[in-house]
Amino acid sequence: RKEVEQDPGPFNVPEGATVAFNCTYSNSASQSFFWYRQDCRKEPKLLMSVYSSGNEDGRFTAQLNRASQYISLLIRDSKLSDSATYLCVVNDRTYKYIFGTGTRLKVLA
Amino acid sequence: NAGVTQTPKFQVLKTGQSMTLQCAQDMNHNSMYWYRQDPGMGLRLIYYSASEGTTDKGEVPNGYNVSRLNKREFSLRLESAAPSQTSVYFCASRGSGTSSYNEQFFGPGTRLTVL
Repeated sequence: RKEVEQDPGPFNVPEGATVAFNCTYSNSASQSFFWYRQDCRKEPKLLMSVYSSGNEDGRFTAQLNRASQYISLLIRDSKLSDSATYLCVVNDRTYKYIFGTGTRLKVLA
Repeated sequence: NAGVTQTPKFQVLKTGQSMTLQCAQDMNHNSMYWYRQDPGMGLRLIYYSASEGTTDKGEVPNGYNVSRLNKREFSLRLESAAPSQTSVYFCASRGSGTSSYNEQFFGPGTRLTVL
């Protein structure tokens, strides 16, 4: 089993739609969780950290479920500019960051 | 404030050639990393450096060496390039605060092709 698993997609959604991605992790000692966005042929950039109580940043909401060992990302009112690959990243407070392979999102006009 | 910079952006090598990928950060971060990204795979850690003067192997270190020249710079060397090292290489640094949510900041990447 991979340490961090994501559905690769692509998720093709119309503009204005709501879309959600999940990411599961296997290490119960994981402490920090992140969603990064990666555009084609570009470097990953932090979208948001995922806190235990869940957190929201504009149209983006992140949730953590420690019991089931998954994190989620919800995007409301999708924009064309949201088209990208979304990487789930997990850290156990050491040097080690484990990256998922990413979920590809295409927002269609 | 440039963040994390990498050179070169693109490189084509022949099998057996050597080269060094350069990385520098201006955020006063202690930790720096080298990753490779291949299609269908997540970023995989090659080497990391927790602080100036220290380096440690990551998940895929074979065929690579690193140097943490000073706090700002962390270079990755391919001594004898192989086609299997064709990849996109990202350098990253991590904040030094006490928060458990220290994010990584990435450079723009180096696209390497080994023929």
